[in-house]
Amino acid sequence: DQQVKQNSPSLSVQEGRISILNCDYTNSMFDYFLWYKKYPAEGPTFLISISSIKDKNEDGRFTVFLNKSAKHLSLHIVPSQPGDSAVYFCAASVRNTGNQFYFGTGTSLTVIP
Amino acid sequence: NAGVTQTPKFRILKIGQSMTLQCTQDMNHNYMYWYRQDPGMGLKLIYYSVGAGITDKGEVPNGYNVSRSTTEDFPLRLELAAPSQTSVYFCASSYFLGGTEAFFGQGTRLTVV
Repeated sequence: DQQVKQNSPSLSVQEGRISILNCDYTNSMFDYFLWYKKYPAEGPTFLISISSIKDKNEDGRFTVFLNKSAKHLSLHIVPSQPGDSAVYFCAASVRNTGNQFYFGTGTSLTVIP
Repeated sequence: NAGVTQTPKFRILKIGQSMTLQCTQDMNHNYMYWYRQDPGMGLKLIYYSVGAGITDKGEVPNGYNVSRSTTEDFPLRLELAAPSQTSVYFCASSYFLGGTEAFFGQGTRLTVV
């Protein structure tokens, strides 16, 4: 049972435009959400996170939005750069319960120069 | 700063063989994890540890064993390799359990034939 879902396996965007990656979750107990970026032959690296007490968190070109009522989060990258081409995973967890991160299946982003 | 180091990077096993995937972290993190990633799927948690001497099962523990004798090391043991264990394995560590970002190793690509 996939508790975190990324329904778009791939996304292509022109350099300089906005990239929007989406993620849905089913477990209303999740209270912490993260985005990871993964290049081929490397492990995932942390990108940005958001707590359920917020609806937006921004870090440079990356912004994560959380809509708790819709159980939906999105990652916006503005402006997109060719170096952003990677697989992006969203993950969710329940803090301090002895639980773990649940990962989505990933979205492969290609930024076209 | 090495972070999380996994060895080997690649391995081919025959059905029924055993092997140990090594994982070491130098960040003094209490929490460590083993994930597997199958093609087109998200990362699934195999086992995790909250500190030396303490381990617990994740979503997909069958066919694996772990131990945690030190804070730094968290090896994953496959006793009787099966084709279903063909996957990419990632070790990770974090400062808090489920409440902050995890740092990942580069992964081990395992093929069982």
